[in-house]
Amino acid sequence: DQQVKQNSPSLSVQEGRISILNCDYTNSMFDYFLWYKKYPAEGPTFLISISSIKDKNEDGRFTVFLNKSAKHLSLHIVPSQPGDSAVYFCAASADSNYQLIWGAGTKLIIKP
Amino acid sequence: DAGVIQSPRHEVTEMGQEVTLRCKPISGHDYLFWYRQTMMRGLELLIYFNNNVPIDDSGMPEDRFSAKMPNASFSTLKIQPSEPRDSAVYFCASRRDPSDTQYFGPGTRLTVL
Repeated sequence: DQQVKQNSPSLSVQEGRISILNCDYTNSMFDYFLWYKKYPAEGPTFLISISSIKDKNEDGRFTVFLNKSAKHLSLHIVPSQPGDSAVYFCAASADSNYQLIWGAGTKLIIKP
Repeated sequence: DAGVIQSPRHEVTEMGQEVTLRCKPISGHDYLFWYRQTMMRGLELLIYFNNNVPIDDSGMPEDRFSAKMPNASFSTLKIQPSEPRDSAVYFCASRRDPSDTQYFGPGTRLTVL
C-alpha cells in the first residue's frame, strides 16, 4: 500500500528547459511535504518543503506546487542544469513527529 | 560538522552470516532513523530512535533484524542471519527535533550472496 507515489521512474529534460517531477498521495491526513535530491553513492539531501496551508513554495530555481483536492504535488526546476541530474524523492508526513512516508523516486537526467 | 557517518560503505557477505551496520549521527541530534532503499520499494523506514529509545520499529521486516542505540553518538543495525533478499542500500539519518529536516549518511551498500 503505497501512500506516496512517484509514477515516473525516470525523466529526461534538455538543459535550460523546465523539469517537472510529480508526486501523488492517498492519505488526506498528510500536511507536510518534502522533496529530497540524491546523487549516486550519497545519501538524500533536503531540497524544498511545503506545508498544506500553502499551495506554492519557491526557492531559487525550485518551486513546489501542492494541489490538496487532487492530492498531488509537483516540483518545478527552471532552468534545468546538468547538476540537477539526480534521483528526486517526494516525502510526506501526517503527524507532529514528522515521520516521513517516501515515494520510490524519479531519476532526472538533464541532457546537454 | 562531519555529518552523519556510516560504516562500512560497502559490505559483501554470504547468506547466513551476521552483518552489522554502524551509524554516528550528527552531534546534538536527538532522532536517529534507519532506512532501506531497494529498486522495488524505494526508501523504507525500518526503525527510529528518540533520545536513544526505539520509538517505532514497525518497519523492521523480520526478527532477523535488530537495532540498538547504546548512546547518543552510536547506533547499529544487525541482520542475523543474512539472506540474499536483504541486499539493498541502508541509510542512517538524524535530525535535531521534529521540525528539523532529516540529514542522511552516505549509506551502506549490502550485498548478500
